Order: sequence, then structure tokens, then C-alpha cells
Amino acid sequence: IAGITQAPTSQILAAGRRMTLRCTQDMRHNAMYWYRQDLGLGLRLIHYSNTAGTTGKGEVPDGYSVSRANTDDFPLTLASAVPSQTSVYFCASSDGKRVAGEQFFGPGTRLTVL
Amino acid sequence: DQQVKQNSPSLSVQEGRISILNCDYTNSMFDYFLWYKKYPAEGPTFLISISSIKDKNEDGRFTVFLNKSAKHLSLHIVPSQPGDSAVYFCAASPTLFSGTYKYIFGTGTRLKVLA
Repeated sequence: IAGITQAPTSQILAAGRRMTLRCTQDMRHNAMYWYRQDLGLGLRLIHYSNTAGTTGKGEVPDGYSVSRANTDDFPLTLASAVPSQTSVYFCASSDGKRVAGEQFFGPGTRLTVL
Repeated sequence: DQQVKQNSPSLSVQEGRISILNCDYTNSMFDYFLWYKKYPAEGPTFLISISSIKDKNEDGRFTVFLNKSAKHLSLHIVPSQPGDSAVYFCAASPTLFSGTYKYIFGTGTRLKVLA
């Protein structure tokens, strides 16, 4: 089934640990995005990639890094997790062919940093 | 400073009546607007869009209205159904030079449709 998968579904992590959230899409979309969703703050863009090999910073990039080695995968890494990074993380992709900028979202990863 | 605002955190509507969800934005460079719907424990799903060259777009029970002078858009759901109960996010983006979009999302409105 075409779509976006994220792993893990949820994770509890000790502060200071390194963590990589995985995101894979099989729709051959050029653009991919990482958001975090926090109560009262909605969805905030962390990093994005317009095409394989390029990445850019969103609204809240500090403490996160991404890479885009190929079209399908867009991992998000927390180098040294802090409690303020406790959130639900959504990966999304788009190709803009049907609706300009329409993004397809994955099911999310719930991350708790203690 | 929040560039996209949804000032009503929640809304309750009787089944069969109209639901109106509002969204305000501050950046006059925004020219594309989307509404997403989100159920618990799922990712958001695209609902309807509108570009700044239009003031209305309709898709079945869903209509989005855009008032550029007021920097305001609204989503109308008629008639509302219990399955519409979800969190609704509006999102806005300028068209970037590369033809891509970077959406800013509002904080969401939780709609509850009462049977």
C-alpha cells in the first residue's frame, strides 16, 4: 500500500541519548518534511527537503538534523535529546501534482524524553 | 509570533447543522491555503485547498472561503456528521521561487459533532 511509514511508533528516551526517527515513502515524492505537534502549538516545521540531496531548516530546527540520501528516506536525528523534545513527530511528503503543496502525512512517532 | 491563528480551540455542533471553523493569517505573502483533518493517533489528512486567486472552493460538504483583505479564511461543513469530529488545522504558504511550498500551520480547532 502506497504511503508513508514512520518508525518507531513510540519511544521513551533518556535525556542526552541520541535518537533517529525513521521515515520512508513509496510515492516517489520529491519533497519531504518533519513536523512536531505540541498541545496548543499545532504543527511546527522542523526541517524539510525539496529533493534528494538537499535539506532546509523550518521554524524549529535547533537540536535536530536530517539527511536525504535518496528519494524515499528522510530520517530525523536528535543528537542529544532533551525533555523539551517530548512531542509527537510527523513526517510528510508532497509532489504538488494534484493540489499545490498538498502533503501526505505518516502516522506519527510519539517521543517522550525523560 | 503566530502567523496563522485559529482562535477557537474547540467547537461543538449538532449533527445536521453547519460547522464553521475560522483561521486568520498575518503574512500577506501567503497565497496558498490548505485545511487538514486529524483523528487521534493518526497523521493529518488533506481536506480542501484554496489559492489566493479564488475566494471560494467547494468539495461536497466542505467549502472554504477566503477573504484576502481581512486575511481570513473559513471552512464550512454542511451538514455536519458525527464522523467529522476531529481536529482541523489550517495551513498557509507563499509560493517559493522553486515552486515549492513551506506551510505554516495553525494550532487547530477540535470539532465535536453531537448526534
